[in-house]
Amino acid sequence: NAGVTQTPKFQVLKTGQSMTLQCAQDMNHEYMSWYRQDPGMGLRLIHYSVGAGITDQGEVPNGYNVSRSTTEDFPLRLLSAAPSQTSVYFCASSPVQGNSNQPQHFGDGTRLSIL
Amino acid sequence: SQKIEQNSEALNIQEGKTATLTCNYTNYSPAYLQWYRQDPGRGPVFLLLIRENEKEKRKERLKVTFDTTLKQSLFHITASQPADSATYLCALDPPQGGMLTFGGGTRLMVKP
Repeated sequence: NAGVTQTPKFQVLKTGQSMTLQCAQDMNHEYMSWYRQDPGMGLRLIHYSVGAGITDQGEVPNGYNVSRSTTEDFPLRLLSAAPSQTSVYFCASSPVQGNSNQPQHFGDGTRLSIL
Repeated sequence: SQKIEQNSEALNIQEGKTATLTCNYTNYSPAYLQWYRQDPGRGPVFLLLIRENEKEKRKERLKVTFDTTLKQSLFHITASQPADSATYLCALDPPQGGMLTFGGGTRLMVKP
């Protein structure tokens, strides 16, 4: 049972390049989400999904796209990388129980640098 | 909008003492609150969840309190050990639903 797997672990991009951060979970969780973590800013929600085919914006969605074609995968796309997107990106998943958020399971992050 | 505040300064304590971390929030009343631990280079790991109708919750050496009047949660680690050194994050459910909102975290350093 691998939990939440993020790839790659590290990436360096040039301004303007695009790329996709991968996230996969093997726990059959309905909820998946992407956060970015910057020094002094805590974890900020980028996008989230409550099930396959359903996505919604979080606090800081600009410059990022997501899709959820399967329960297991939730990729995050940077359309045109900017230095302000240099950050550590975390993917998380959680099961659904009624209307309550359940504890989130996090991956170990992708450290992204934009030059 | 809601605001979550954790002490951004590191908390340094001696091994064996009780560590107390604070999470304050404003502008709304969450139904529940969660605490996570994060080690350097790793993702956060869930520790405890406490609901608004629960005043206190315990798990081994951990204790969480939730005061909805003060809009504050306290996270205690008793008999602290150097292995408890990490950053601790609190998270609350937002009033409009959706995903958790996290505080900035407090770094705990336990010295032998």
